[in-house]
Amino acid sequence: SQKIEQNSEALNIQEGKTATLTCNYTNYSPAYLQWYRQDPGRGPVFLLLIRENEKEKRKERLKVTFDTTLKQSLFHITASQPADSATYLCALDMDGGGADGLTFGKGTHLIIQP
Amino acid sequence: GAVVSQHPSRVICKSGTSVKIECRSLDFQATTMFWYRQFPKQSLMLMATSNEGSKATYEQGVEKDKFLINHASLTLSTLTVTSAHPEDSSFYICSARPPTGNYGYTFGSGTRLTVV
Repeated sequence: SQKIEQNSEALNIQEGKTATLTCNYTNYSPAYLQWYRQDPGRGPVFLLLIRENEKEKRKERLKVTFDTTLKQSLFHITASQPADSATYLCALDMDGGGADGLTFGKGTHLIIQP
Repeated sequence: GAVVSQHPSRVICKSGTSVKIECRSLDFQATTMFWYRQFPKQSLMLMATSNEGSKATYEQGVEKDKFLINHASLTLSTLTVTSAHPEDSSFYICSARPPTGNYGYTFGSGTRLTVV
């Protein structure tokens, strides 16, 4: 079965720097690889999605890359702010059809220090 | 944007009783909804897929008689935890994918279930 690893349980970054989070998976590539933000006691919130045939996606201060050869996605937050502190989840949508749900990694707890 | 509303946000129940959790899509119709469970510092694990008008499909290891799912309308799915035990204490979250937009999923705010 598919296994997803996110680089570290916790990541401390100084405000203003770029935070880079890693997501690696083991089996075949998903149709869509997605990133979510989860705050304590809340459900995940969708941030970005990248398709199997795409290399990079950007949205404001967020950037996602996808390398199907390495089976890896990188998630970048530039000019990080304390408000970016949260847990970030990598999720795989294997067929993209909306019928099978998502497979999640454990998440990386990002702490932006002022 | 698309909103999924989940209630209650937290519930405490006695061992052996049943608890119902509701999940509503507020501004879109969802023929399929998903139920996840999350233990502390763990990933969200898909429990079951709720299909409007038909039986739910359960992931391996999830007891269908314990976690009853009903998806009677295009905007409402319910999860009932029957004969709850302390090991069922967890964070339950529902989700749906809006039919238009960016292919991302919208999640409810979750239900913290504590069985005492």
